[in-house]
This record gives sequence, C-alpha cells and structure tokens, in this order.
Amino acid sequence: ETGVTQTPRHLVMGMTNKKSLKCEQHLGHNAMYWYKQSAKKPLELMFVYSLEERVENNSVPSRFSPECPNSSHLFLHLHTLQPEDSALYLCASSQFTSGRAYNEQFFGPGTRLTVL
Amino acid sequence: GQNIDQPTEMTATEGAIVQINCTYQTSGFNGLFWYQQHAGEAPTFLSYNVLDGLEEKGRFSSFLSRSKGYSYLLLKELQMKDSASYLCAVRDSNYQLIWGAGTKLIIKP
Repeated sequence: ETGVTQTPRHLVMGMTNKKSLKCEQHLGHNAMYWYKQSAKKPLELMFVYSLEERVENNSVPSRFSPECPNSSHLFLHLHTLQPEDSALYLCASSQFTSGRAYNEQFFGPGTRLTVL
Repeated sequence: GQNIDQPTEMTATEGAIVQINCTYQTSGFNGLFWYQQHAGEAPTFLSYNVLDGLEEKGRFSSFLSRSKGYSYLLLKELQMKDSASYLCAVRDSNYQLIWGAGTKLIIKP
C-alpha cells in the first residue's frame, strides 16, 4: 500500500469518448503529479499541482485536462484522444517544503489506457 | 537539452552482484533518485544522493559523483524478486525531476 490510489486500473476508450482518471493520496502531501509512461521511454511529466499552483509541460496536448479540487484529489480529463496516447498514466504525490525542496515522490499503481 | 542515460536491459544471476549505471546532463543538480518498478506496479523509492559518495541501505547502495555526472545503483546478494526496472531521476535547478528510461534487470537462477 503506497498511500496513493488510482482508478480505474485499466481503461479502453474510443477516440471520440470522454473519460476521467482519478487519483487520491492519503499521505497528507501538498503536491500531486500526472506522468505518462510509454514502453522504453522516460517518465514524462504532464502536470504538477503544488500549493494550489499548477505547473504544466507545454508539450502536453490540450486533449488532456487536469483538475485538482483539493490537495488530496487529482483528476485527468480525457477527450478525443489518439491511439498514440495509449500508455500507463501514473499519479504521484510528494511533500513540498520551504525553499522549493520537493521530497521523494510516492506513486500510485497507474491506469493502463488503451485508445482504439 | 537535459538527458539521463541508463542501459536498457541487464541480466544477472541469483546471489550475485550487479551495478546499474546512470549518467546525466541536466541544467543544475539538486539530487539524484533511484526508483524500483516491478512490471505492472508503481515505482517505489529506493535511494537519494545529493552529496558525492556512497549511500548504503541493506543490500542496495547508491553512489554519486557530481563532477562526472554519474551515479550507480549496486545490488548485492541478488534475489529473484529483484527482477524489475530501475529508474534513475535527477532533480534539476527548477527542482523538477528528469527521468531516465529505466534499466530492466533480469535475474536468472
């Protein structure tokens, strides 16, 4: 039990569908992250929410839309995805302390997404 | 650009020792992390180095040389359960993590 949960664990969707991924952390952290993990590629940071401020990777397409209603919950809204978006989507959390020191990240088990 | 290099795959024998190398070129340096990821599971934190030298934690040790942009993860007394991917990540000057593609370690009996 890592303290970070994600639902669903597996998702198959068509290119015209709209779906959402959910992440919840029970660690009392104040920063949450979305990553994309494709086979044999580095983890790609998509979005960071820290102290209610959002930092994003400018290369992430607008068909991915994050939402962070509070420090414990994070969503990734998906619409009109492409087959190349098929990947493992990982959520993580960490504690952000003064002096911009992000501590180690704790990951959820991920959502395996397949876009048909 | 920023870059983290690790071997794609390594094979070792149960009971042996293996060293997984990581070299990095990043804009600034604020620490290096090693994570373990079993197939189909979440990455889990193994070690953190911010100063040069060796950090030992049980069967696992991690070494850092900042002047060489180099780290390694040393696994001793290998067990079958150590079969996993090992991810190297460097925290840059903006305190963002830059990740390597991971090294898949296969342990054979």
